[in-house]
Amino acid sequence: GAGVSQSPRYKVAKRGQDVALRCDPISGHVSLFWYQQALGQGPEFLTYFQNEAQLDKSGLPSDRFFAERPEGSVSTLKIQRTQQEDSAVYLCASSALGKRGITDTQYFGPGTRLTVL
Amino acid sequence: KQEVTQIPAALSVPEGENLVLNCSFTDSAIYNLQWFRQDPGKGLTSLLLIQSSQREQTSGRLNASLDKSSGRSTLYIAASQPGDSATYLCVPKGDKIIFGKGTRLHILP
Repeated sequence: GAGVSQSPRYKVAKRGQDVALRCDPISGHVSLFWYQQALGQGPEFLTYFQNEAQLDKSGLPSDRFFAERPEGSVSTLKIQRTQQEDSAVYLCASSALGKRGITDTQYFGPGTRLTVL
Repeated sequence: KQEVTQIPAALSVPEGENLVLNCSFTDSAIYNLQWFRQDPGKGLTSLLLIQSSQREQTSGRLNASLDKSSGRSTLYIAASQPGDSATYLCVPKGDKIIFGKGTRLHILP
């Protein structure tokens, strides 16, 4: 079956522009996660959805970051007024259960590499 | 706050060698620990998931151990191959999912 897909794979934005990153999780997966991965670092948690409910957004670095999953499947991470420090790879992951990915395996997408000039 | 350290940060070994990657974590209140590999430009692939009640888990040439009380896990790779070249990430899972920075492994043909 299809895995987690993300689009676009690469995005270049000028400082101050808004961007939207899309994640298509594995069909039927309850949990969806967004991570930010800076060069040479491990992924850092941004936010977690259980179906359409955003249960944890404690990792979002500022109020310029906004995520949604309105129908409990596809999710969009939006970054407003992008800054250079937002440059990173944004990873999406999904897992079958609604257990915050703790008890079961997370399946990761290939990521979107965002470069802010 | 959970802190995860992976040693070494990078490793290059000739093909065929056995090797050990180390992971330590500060908060032992975890449900399980997972090892992933990450290939350049790609997402993460799960390798092994060890429950907190288990001591080790094996998959093919990979063996992961967990000593929860001391906050340590090791990933043992037997008979390494060039295809094993990747970054290996350790993730102890408690109330938060915290990734280590990874070990960049390069297997020399």
